[in-house]
Amino acid sequence: AQKVTQAQTEISVVEKEDVTLDCVYETRDTTYYLFWYKQPPSGELVFLIRRNSFDEQNEISGRYSWNFQKSTSSFNFTITASQVVDSAVYFCALSEVTSYGKLTFGQGTILTVHP
Amino acid sequence: DAGVTQSPTHLIKTRGQHVTLRCSPISGHKSVSWYQQVLGQGPQFIFQYYEKEERGRGNFPDRFSARQFPNYSSELNVNALLLGDSALYLCASSLTGPANGYTFGSGTRLTVV
Repeated sequence: AQKVTQAQTEISVVEKEDVTLDCVYETRDTTYYLFWYKQPPSGELVFLIRRNSFDEQNEISGRYSWNFQKSTSSFNFTITASQVVDSAVYFCALSEVTSYGKLTFGQGTILTVHP
Repeated sequence: DAGVTQSPTHLIKTRGQHVTLRCSPISGHKSVSWYQQVLGQGPQFIFQYYEKEERGRGNFPDRFSARQFPNYSSELNVNALLLGDSALYLCASSLTGPANGYTFGSGTRLTVV
């Protein structure tokens, strides 16, 4: 069965600090996809990144970066120089190719960035 | 292009009633999935439809049902509502599946009193 664990329930930082959100996953499939979503107070899930299991390259997009390590089943997300607008709930999710579109989400990490 | 559209945005129902939630996917997307998000938790998978056929079902009781129409829009129906059904219901659309990613709507917030 697939499972996603986000051990950090809440993180609080001051603006301009760097912050890393951890994600550990479990799956029996060799082909799968990992996602990060941001959920602001409005409730909509905003897509941030998708990574397939065969692509372990780290990715950087502006202040965001992602570190995918199959050896430790982790897909961590770092925000550099955090801003107040980064305050939201962040979800890591896993989709196995054989699971017909089912996304398994972690419990989410509440990030609060203080001015 | 319009994103994923869900209606209504908010809904208040009484225990025992029935509710229908609607979702219109992004134009061209043939896959629609439904999720329930209880306050303070991650979204939980309810159903996935592709080309009008149910392709996946989560661990939800038979009170929950869904269907997909020829235009790929979808309805989620919940019968005999319980207080515990109060949640944000999210719809996600995709071209085919995980390789194309999933786009979520803003959700329907259901309150059962």
